[in-house]
Amino acid sequence: KQEVTQIPAALSVPEGENLVLNCSFTDSAIYNLQWFRQDPGKGLTSLLLIQSSQREQTSGRLNASLDKSSGRSTLYIAASQPGDSATYLCAPRGSQGNLIFGKGTKLSVKP
Amino acid sequence: NAGVMQNPRHLVRRRGQEARLRCSPMKGHSHVYWYRQLPEEGLKFMVYLQKENIIDESGMPKERFSAEFPKEGPSILRIQQVVRGDSAAYFCASSPQGLRGMNTEAFFGQGTRLTVV
Repeated sequence: KQEVTQIPAALSVPEGENLVLNCSFTDSAIYNLQWFRQDPGKGLTSLLLIQSSQREQTSGRLNASLDKSSGRSTLYIAASQPGDSATYLCAPRGSQGNLIFGKGTKLSVKP
Repeated sequence: NAGVMQNPRHLVRRRGQEARLRCSPMKGHSHVYWYRQLPEEGLKFMVYLQKENIIDESGMPKERFSAEFPKEGPSILRIQQVVRGDSAAYFCASSPQGLRGMNTEAFFGQGTRLTVV
């Protein structure tokens, strides 16, 4: 059974800092992994999709890496902004087809 | 191309009533997934459906909960005889058809927030 852990659970940084969010998963037999953000009371917004054959995927100030064999992914956010404040969720997609979520990292970027 | 549409956005039910939550996937998507998010908790997988088929319902409570995705129309998550513990946000996601659906992004709706009073 896939289990996903995200560290840290919460993070508070001043504006402009670069930061790294960590995700680990127990079953490395995945098709891909998605990173999402969730704003309070809202749905999930897809940020990046990284395929199992890929090492990295970039979108703007975001960069996701994947080390499938060790069951780890990181999300790097460059030059953080207050608008980046949200909960960030990682979700590997396994052979069953569904996404399994961690509890997320709650990010707060202070102006 | 509209995103994943869920309705209603908010639903209030008294204990013992039925709740019906609807999800219209993105155009061209035939994979639908339902998740539940309890306050201060992560998203828990409930059920994975393709048109007219339940693929994986391992996360669905055995009683009172059912889901369908008919050939025509939206996917429905039905909760019978609701209890206070069913109060949560229910999210639906969709991805494209076929095996390629496994290799593409899943897109989420805005959720239905169910409150049982």
